Amino acid sequence: DAGVTQSPTHLIKTRGQQVTLRCSPKSGHDTVSWYQQALGQGPQFIFQYYEEEERQRGNFPDRFSGHQFPNYSSELNVNALLLGDSALYLCASSLPLTLRGRAMDYGYTFGSGTRLTVV
Amino acid sequence: EDKVVQSPLSLVVHEGDTVTLNCSYEVTNFRSLLWYKQEKKAPTFLFMLTSSGIEKKSGRLSSILDKKELFSILNITATQTGDSAVYLCAVRAPGYALNFGKGTSLLVTP
Repeated sequence: DAGVTQSPTHLIKTRGQQVTLRCSPKSGHDTVSWYQQALGQGPQFIFQYYEEEERQRGNFPDRFSGHQFPNYSSELNVNALLLGDSALYLCASSLPLTLRGRAMDYGYTFGSGTRLTVV
Repeated sequence: EDKVVQSPLSLVVHEGDTVTLNCSYEVTNFRSLLWYKQEKKAPTFLFMLTSSGIEKKSGRLSSILDKKELFSILNITATQTGDSAVYLCAVRAPGYALNFGKGTSLLVTP
């Protein structure tokens, strides 16, 4: 049973460029959340996708956008990259709402992340 | 603004020692507090706490929540080198986001 798969594992981009990160959720999961983890910091919530729609968004500029596909996989797009966007980008998937209830928090599974370096 | 503060930020201990990691929070409409272990990259789930005073245990790890004083502790007894990691505390308020602290970096030396 595959866990959460993220690609690529590492990426180097130049300031001003655009980047797309990909996430395949764990089998049976239908919700995908994205987090940004800067060096020495805890993960910061970017947004969550459910039923192909952005359900909640954290305090990130519009340069950060996402998409969820019918197979529940997701993409995170960042435009006009800044040096400060350098971070580990983590994807987390979770169980369908009908199976979660109070188990929602047990159901989060994180991927190994994409390390983005902006130069 | 919701806030999660972990202490200490880093810790070095010898194998066999017992450690206590702290997490305090200020969150509107608290729902749950979670502990994760992060080795290299992917955080892995340890505990979820929703009620005060109920200790959760898993092997040498245990955790408890105090909702009156707004904090949680994570205890690790008889530490091993494999316990070396960053331990993250996260709090969930209404909604779907987890609000993480900066983490405690634990190094267990032989």
